[in-house]
Amino acid sequence: SYVLTQPPSVSVAPGKTARITCGGDNIGQKAVHWYQLKPGQAPVLVIYYNSDRPSGIPERFSGSKSGNTATLTISRVEAGDEADYCCQVWDGSSDHRGVFGGGTKLTVL
Amino acid sequence: QVTLKESGPALVKPTETLTLTCSVSGFALSDVRMGVGWIRQSPGKALAWLAHIFSNDEKSYNTSLKNRLTLSRDTSKRQVVLTMTDLDPVDTATYYCARVRFRATDGTIVYWFDRWGQGTLVTVSS
Repeated sequence: SYVLTQPPSVSVAPGKTARITCGGDNIGQKAVHWYQLKPGQAPVLVIYYNSDRPSGIPERFSGSKSGNTATLTISRVEAGDEADYCCQVWDGSSDHRGVFGGGTKLTVL
Repeated sequence: QVTLKESGPALVKPTETLTLTCSVSGFALSDVRMGVGWIRQSPGKALAWLAHIFSNDEKSYNTSLKNRLTLSRDTSKRQVVLTMTDLDPVDTATYYCARVRFRATDGTIVYWFDRWGQGTLVTVSS
């Protein structure tokens, strides 16, 4: 089945830029979506279709892809951005189809 | 305002059947642009998509769990119900329902989840 690989953790100082990667075979051919997860709260979609931002999501959040890697970039990081971030693709050929990455814990120092 | 809320038992015994209900507001289950899906997260594990249902009653299931899952919906009650049979301790997880959006491109349909409920923790234990 299709596998998405994320680093377990990323740390960044407030005001700096955080980059969270998501790797997978042929990910360049797939649409990548990103979610923010905080304990006890509903997950939030922060980027869909690689780089589109839902209404209400700050412009500080952006998405991109290059080669076999998708990247979520958070500019001017704030304390409130501390959360887990998961990438997701839809792989119709996989048993699981809706495939999520393992998640990356963003720590704001 | 779009909201989704999961409800169901917090504790289930092994081999029993789990029934979870997702109650939605702010959108109609008859809206052809969207569906409702279920995703779970076991402790320390990644999110896992389970199933989703659309307005035309089209259903899609995680193949590895297909024989254990059943989706149904009640449009008038604005509810989607997920039933999972033969529960095992490995099914212990937080179960989320989410609104599903889709886009068709080059003959492929891509799905994502644009609104989520807060989730409900289900523990499978005797």
